[in-house]
Amino acid sequence: GEDVEQSLFLSVREGDSSVINCTYTDSSSTYLYWYKQEPGAGLQLLTYIFSNMDMKQDQRLTVLLNKKDKHLSLRIADTQTGDSAIYFCAAQTGANNLFFGTGTRLTVIP
Amino acid sequence: DVKVTQSSRYLVKRTGEKVFLECVQDMDHENMFWYRQDPGLGLRLIYFSYDVKMKEKGDIPEGYSVSREKKERFSLILESASTNQTSMYLCASSSPGANYGYTFGSGTRLTVV
Repeated sequence: GEDVEQSLFLSVREGDSSVINCTYTDSSSTYLYWYKQEPGAGLQLLTYIFSNMDMKQDQRLTVLLNKKDKHLSLRIADTQTGDSAIYFCAAQTGANNLFFGTGTRLTVIP
Repeated sequence: DVKVTQSSRYLVKRTGEKVFLECVQDMDHENMFWYRQDPGLGLRLIYFSYDVKMKEKGDIPEGYSVSREKKERFSLILESASTNQTSMYLCASSSPGANYGYTFGSGTRLTVV
């Protein structure tokens, strides 16, 4: 199966930008996803990018994909305390299977 | 609003009990999944199903079984609960080839005492 890796923790100050990084191993991955998990809740889809794209922007969120290096990042501009959560990267291979990273816990310091 | 509903948010069970975790989706999805989530370990796939009455083992199936008698319902069964099965359990569903990934339920936090 595919390996998806993320760092476990990130702390930023309120108002700064956050950048969460992810690497994956399967170059045939078709879609790459970012999910957000708030405390005690399930995972909520934030955004996704198709593998033939380099960048996708959605309000404060920017996703960058370097397909050559199999590297995905999520940038959150003007980070707020409400952005504190665990962020999961996931890579899709084939029609059915998503492979998840371990999640990055983002802490926003007021 | 499309949904994956897990029957309980919190459960406390005794060691040795048989435990049923229920998951229902209203999106007519073919695929359904059960994960457990533990700190520092991320999501680990227990079982999944691509169709009614079909099931496949994931990465950590030991101590668990599943049932999928209807398309919309996927049940996780702990045959004899043990304390090392204390965890957050997440159910998800998806449609093959769709570009929106999985839809997750809110999770069930199970404590085995």
